[in-house]
Formats: sequence, C-alpha cells, structure tokens
Amino acid sequence: GAVVSQHPSWVICKSGTSVKIECRSLDFQATTMFWYRQFPKQSLMLMATSNEGSKATYEQGVEKDKFLINHASLTLSTLTVTSAHPEDSSFYICSASPFVADYGYTFGSGTRLTVV
Amino acid sequence: KQEVTQIPAALSVPEGENLVLNCSFTDSAIYNLQWFRQDPGKGLTSLLLIQSSQREQTSGRLNASLDKSSGRSTLYIAASQPGDSATYLCAVNDYKLSFGAGTTVTVRA
Repeated sequence: GAVVSQHPSWVICKSGTSVKIECRSLDFQATTMFWYRQFPKQSLMLMATSNEGSKATYEQGVEKDKFLINHASLTLSTLTVTSAHPEDSSFYICSASPFVADYGYTFGSGTRLTVV
Repeated sequence: KQEVTQIPAALSVPEGENLVLNCSFTDSAIYNLQWFRQDPGKGLTSLLLIQSSQREQTSGRLNASLDKSSGRSTLYIAASQPGDSATYLCAVNDYKLSFGAGTTVTVRA
C-alpha cells in the first residue's frame, strides 16, 4: 500500500515553455504532498508543501511564480515549471504519506526535466 | 533547523561483507526516522521506518537502530550483494523530512 505515481518520468522542453508534472496517490488520500528537487550527486531539497484545497507553502528561496503547485483533489498534485530555462533542468520528486502509524513517506519515481 | 549528516559519503566493499551506514541529526525532537534507497536516476524506495519510541527495526538483511537522545541512527546490511549497490538516504521527520546527503555503496562481485 501507499503508492505514489509520478508522470512523466522524463521531459525535454524548449526554453521559455512550461512543463507540468503530476503526482498521484494511488491507494490513499493525501491532503498534503511534498515536492523536492535534486541536483546531481546531491540530496533532496524540499521546494514546497502542497495542501489540498489551499495554497502551497513554499520554502525560502523557491520562486512561487516559477513553480506553480495545484492540489485540486485528495489524490493529485501538480507542479508546473513556468517559462522554463536551462537552470531549471533537474530531477523533481514528489512525496506523500497516509499519516497512519507504521507508514512513512512514499516517493514518486521522479521526473527528469531537461530544458534546451 | 534540523541538520542531518551521513557518514561515510561513499563505501566500497567486496560481496558478502556487512555494511554499516551512519546517520546523525541535531534535533532529537523527531516523530520518526526513515531509511531510503535510491538507484541512479530513480525515485526513493523506503527501506525501514523507525518511530521515535522504537530502538530498532528489522527487515530481512536490513536492521536499523535509533538512539534519539544522542541523535544517531545506524543502518546495518548483512551479507552484502552486488544488488545492494545504491545510494542510501537517511531522513528525519520532525514535521518535515530532512535528508542527509547519502552514502553511496558499491558492492564488488
């Protein structure tokens, strides 16, 4: 149980365009989801906390207008990278938890974004 | 702010040897601690979850201990196999997950 699905696995886009990444909880309801970014050979950096039905909470230094988060249902959160530039190229991973005893956090398979 | 440190950063061992991975954290007021495995270019796979009230958890060849008062956790992998080669991440949950930089393990056949 507690499966999180993330799509797409990889995407290549042109500079200036926008890209949407989806994160779904398949077998539980997730009122809260988390979005991370990972640079090569580095650990995960929390970007924002996505809250169902309300605005996302962004970590310090993360541009909320560039990384738009929508959590419209209890099983789906989306991250849209707007007006993407090459420096936005990275590995993006989402996470959620049923917040039930003995269940920790489950992560999606990640999305490799390359902006050319 | 929670700081999580993992030592060593990298480890290379021959097949069959036992692995010891260390994780330390600065704030002991945590809900739980989770160990993950990450293969190159992939997401994270949860290995073990230890609640703050627990001292250890075991799953197959994996055993993780937690000493909350001293801010330490250790992941033991018995009889390592080449398939254990990956990066292992320790994450501390004190409302938010804080990650260490990971230990990259290579098991040589």
